Amino acid sequence: TQLLEQSPQFLSIQEGENLTVYCNSSSVFSSLQWYRQEPGEGPVLLVTVVTGGEVKKLKRLTFQFGDARKDSSLHITAAQPGDTGLYLCAGGSSNTGKLIFGQGTTLQVKP
Amino acid sequence: DAGVIQSPRHEVTEMGQEVTLRCKPISGHNSLFWYRQTMMRGLELLIYFNNNVPIDDSGMPEDRFSAKMPNASFSTLKIQPSEPRDSAVYFCASSLALQYQETQYFGPGTRLLVL
Repeated sequence: TQLLEQSPQFLSIQEGENLTVYCNSSSVFSSLQWYRQEPGEGPVLLVTVVTGGEVKKLKRLTFQFGDARKDSSLHITAAQPGDTGLYLCAGGSSNTGKLIFGQGTTLQVKP
Repeated sequence: DAGVIQSPRHEVTEMGQEVTLRCKPISGHNSLFWYRQTMMRGLELLIYFNNNVPIDDSGMPEDRFSAKMPNASFSTLKIQPSEPRDSAVYFCASSLALQYQETQYFGPGTRLLVL
């Protein structure tokens, strides 16, 4: 069974601080996606990485896929209150096409 | 364009009652997914369809749960009889194809409370 573990589960920081969220597995994934979910809404895709070692940047967010395609990280620079939400990583399997989601990291950025 | 549409948005029912959740995927999308989200278990995949055909229902918790997709624009998830432990937010998502790199577009969810 493929599992994704995210850490930390909860993070409360002040505006302007940097943070990193980790997503780890013992399994190899064909892709790794990061979603963000706001209260009362469904998750929304932030990024998809498919190549080991791949790094993608989305404004103040930097996403990295591990060389072995078993782990990923999300780094936010100078966090803002608008970054508050639940961040979910999801591993994709080329065999099934389905996604396995991590438990999520709840981020609170205080002004 | 409209995103994934789910109804109802909120449902409160009593234990033992039948509950039907509805989903309209994005037009042109060939794959549809049903998820359940709780604080304890996170986001769990229940069942998914490709071209209206169920591909994998191994995530369906029990025989009390069933899902159908009679056509490309409509799917239902039914719980009969409902139990308090079924209380959760149920999401429907759709994607263009059943590919590992495809974006899944989620609906707003149905918040189910079983008393």
